[in-house]
Amino acid sequence: EIVLTQSPATLSLSPGERATLSCRASQSVSNYVAWYQHKPGQAPRLLIYDASNRATGIPGRFSGSGSGTDFTLTISGLEPEDAAVYYCQQRSNWFTFGGGTKVEIQ
Amino acid sequence: QMQLQESGPGLVKPSETLSLTCTVSGDSISSSTRYYWGWIRQTPGKGLEWIGSVYYSGSTFYNPSLRSRVIMSVHTSGNRFSLKLSSVSAADTALYFCARHEILGGRLAHFDYWGQGTLVTVSS
Repeated sequence: EIVLTQSPATLSLSPGERATLSCRASQSVSNYVAWYQHKPGQAPRLLIYDASNRATGIPGRFSGSGSGTDFTLTISGLEPEDAAVYYCQQRSNWFTFGGGTKVEIQ
Repeated sequence: QMQLQESGPGLVKPSETLSLTCTVSGDSISSSTRYYWGWIRQTPGKGLEWIGSVYYSGSTFYNPSLRSRVIMSVHTSGNRFSLKLSSVSAADTALYFCARHEILGGRLAHFDYWGQGTLVTVSS
């Protein structure tokens, strides 16, 4: 099973700052990584697929990069509504998810 | 507008079968050749775990760790799909999500729309 490790566990930032979230795979997953945003009581929302492709309707401040084992989700210019837990997911070998990074907006 | 809604009992007894249904609106399961329909669960201990995905034709892919206990099926007349998980234990207590599972380049990829989830507790 491919294990995805996300860091940091929690990120506390102010509005307008840049958030950098990391996802590391236990073995190469090519570019087969997606990122999701999840707020309590809501449906998870697809942000990025295949490492760097923004999903339909996702604002330009969300961007993804990486390949192989190291991936990054960047949120440029944090908005208060970006407070959520963010998960990465790989599709190289079945489907597994990372443990999540909680983004707090101060 | 694409929406998915999970439904089913919130309490299941140990050793019994958990049964959930996902009702889809905004897309037709029977004509969605670009998508499978999946189930994912979330527990405090294991986080998010993919359970399996089913195609409109009935073709399925299951998580190898759960395969022996899982049956998924599609009900095109009601635009629904379902999950049955047998021989449940406390470890199956989780928030269960249904989601649309996109096919890219001939392979299953990401989950582009999700339901809000339904909490299932396994307890006597």
